[in-house]
Amino acid sequence: EAGVTQFPSHSVIEKGQTVTLRCDPISGHDNLYWYRRVMGKEIKFLLHFVKESKQDESGMPNNRFLAERTGGTYSTLKVQPAELEDSGVYFCASSQLRSWTDPGELFFGEGSRLTVL
Amino acid sequence: RKEVEQDPGPFNVPEGATVAFNCTYSNSASQSFFWYRQDCRKEPKLLMSVYSSGNEDGRFTAQLNRASQYISLLIRDSKLSDSATYLCVVTNNYGQNFVFGPGTRLSVLP
Repeated sequence: EAGVTQFPSHSVIEKGQTVTLRCDPISGHDNLYWYRRVMGKEIKFLLHFVKESKQDESGMPNNRFLAERTGGTYSTLKVQPAELEDSGVYFCASSQLRSWTDPGELFFGEGSRLTVL
Repeated sequence: RKEVEQDPGPFNVPEGATVAFNCTYSNSASQSFFWYRQDCRKEPKLLMSVYSSGNEDGRFTAQLNRASQYISLLIRDSKLSDSATYLCVVTNNYGQNFVFGPGTRLSVLP
């Protein structure tokens, strides 16, 4: 069974440009999460989808970040315009929803490393 | 105060040693608890869930103390392959989101 896949694995862009990261969760996983790890810091929550709905986007840093999950399958995270502080590794994770209080085991993708120059 | 705090590390131990990691969490309504392992430049992977009664998986033992809001991980007979960063993870009070600690780095030396 395919795991969580992310694309691109590494992106180098200049400040002010736009980047779109893509995540394909494990098939059948309703929960999809985006996390970010900035150098030297802990993994920080960005947002959570249940199917196509945004369950919680309280971790999104600002309105330069836009996440979508069309049809409840893959998700994209767009950063526009990118700033230097957006550099980091963006992880996507998915899990199979068991109940509203048990989100199930998180399976992570390998991450998309973003470098903003 | 951070929601999840861990021993700062790094821990450098010889092969065969026993090592213990500590974690505290601030949200008393947290519902589920985990240890994840992250190898250098790789994604986090679930090591084990942590149950109130304590649980063991081979050389790994996890303990949870809800009253003290404290979680621990004990690794016995350390192997070189145990070298990694160990992440303490709790779910928030809705049980839907996972909050990560900063991680404790372990290096097992030959």
